[in-house]
Amino acid sequence: SQKIEQNSEALNIQEGKTATLTCNYTNYSPAYLQWYRQDPGRGPVFLLLIRENEKEKRKERLKVTFDTTLKQSLFHITASQPADSATYLCARHGSSNTGKLIFGQGTTLQVKP
Amino acid sequence: DTEVTQTPKHLVMGMTNKKSLKCEQHMGHRAMYWYKQKAKKPPELMFVYSYEKLSINESVPSRFSPECPNSSLLNLHLHALQPEDSALYLCASSRDPHLPGQGYEQYFGPGTRLTVT
Repeated sequence: SQKIEQNSEALNIQEGKTATLTCNYTNYSPAYLQWYRQDPGRGPVFLLLIRENEKEKRKERLKVTFDTTLKQSLFHITASQPADSATYLCARHGSSNTGKLIFGQGTTLQVKP
Repeated sequence: DTEVTQTPKHLVMGMTNKKSLKCEQHMGHRAMYWYKQKAKKPPELMFVYSYEKLSINESVPSRFSPECPNSSLLNLHLHALQPEDSALYLCASSRDPHLPGQGYEQYFGPGTRLTVT
């Protein structure tokens, strides 16, 4: 099956450090991946989209990479802050340009002051 | 305006009740979505509307009935729900996903927390 997997264990880091979250996919090659942030009890918020022909994308303190050889996307938050604490979801599109999004399980990030 | 609004924020209903969830966006998006999210799980797609027509139904039970009255509004009608249907229901919208080579981001509303008693 076409899986998209994130490390479901929580990630705890110290304020000011770089957080790195991983998204792995198997048995297919997505044309693009998306990353969302979700706070408890609220809807996901879109952060970044990266296409398969893009190695890296940046937005302020956020950086996402796409390695089609390793079948992996990495999401980095530099100079992390307690306000970055949230669950981060990786998502791929279903087939046929339907708009269908399939999410990974999400990784919960806790940034300690 | 990049906001998707959902009403109500919270809903408690009995198994024999009929209720509706509402969603609205004014971004000119032509695709709208309903997702269901259980605690500590990712959102799961239920329905997709594209240009006001239902394009995807992810084998959702008929006690959930979606409706798209116009390009800005999306409803989810609920009838005879079960306690296991209790969840956060999320609405989202995006630009036309059918354009080839596009991976448009989705804008989510805050959700409706539904409890079925």
